[in-house]
Amino acid sequence: KAGVTQTPRYLIKTRGQQVTLSCSPISGHRSVSWYQQTPGQGLQFLFEYFSETQRNKGNFPGRFSGRQFSNSRSEMNVSTLELGDSALYLCASSLIVQGSANYGYTFGSGTRLTVV
Amino acid sequence: GENVEQHPSTLSVQEGDSAVIKCTYSDSASNYFPWYKQELGKRPQLIIDIRSNVGEKKDQRIAVTLNKTAKHFSLHITETQPEDSAVYFCAARDQAGTALIFGKGTTLSVSS
Repeated sequence: KAGVTQTPRYLIKTRGQQVTLSCSPISGHRSVSWYQQTPGQGLQFLFEYFSETQRNKGNFPGRFSGRQFSNSRSEMNVSTLELGDSALYLCASSLIVQGSANYGYTFGSGTRLTVV
Repeated sequence: GENVEQHPSTLSVQEGDSAVIKCTYSDSASNYFPWYKQELGKRPQLIIDIRSNVGEKKDQRIAVTLNKTAKHFSLHITETQPEDSAVYFCAARDQAGTALIFGKGTTLSVSS
């Protein structure tokens, strides 16, 4: 069974540009969550999507946005990139059974974004 | 919203010793608490989890305990081995059930 696939693996962008990252969840997983990982800050929650709806959003500026498609694949977009946006962006998919969200996440390998 | 505090931030032990990592959470409605291990350059991987209707769960050398009254949970690793060296993250599911909120991580170093 394929795992969570994130593309691209590495990205270098210039300040002011925008970027789109992609995440394909495990087959059958309809919940996709995105996290920003930086040294010392751990995993900071960006947003969660389920059935094409954003159900929760973390404390990030509006420059960070996302969406989910009918096949559960998700994209996140960061506009007007800043140096501080350099980080590893991880997505994770989760199984939802009868409305219960009490299952662990499976993470992708992440996209390493460097803003110069 | 949910907030998770994790201690210590770094932990060094000798091979064969035990290691304990503690987390506290703020939302008394949280009911799911997983632990993840992230080795250098790799993705976080779930190693054990506990639900709020259980006080303790064990899987070989790893155990997790939960104290709902005090709102804290702990990871216990016995007979540590060098391959246990990694960053460990605790997490708590928020009340809405739509977000896992993570602690800042503990870097565990096991020396032989």
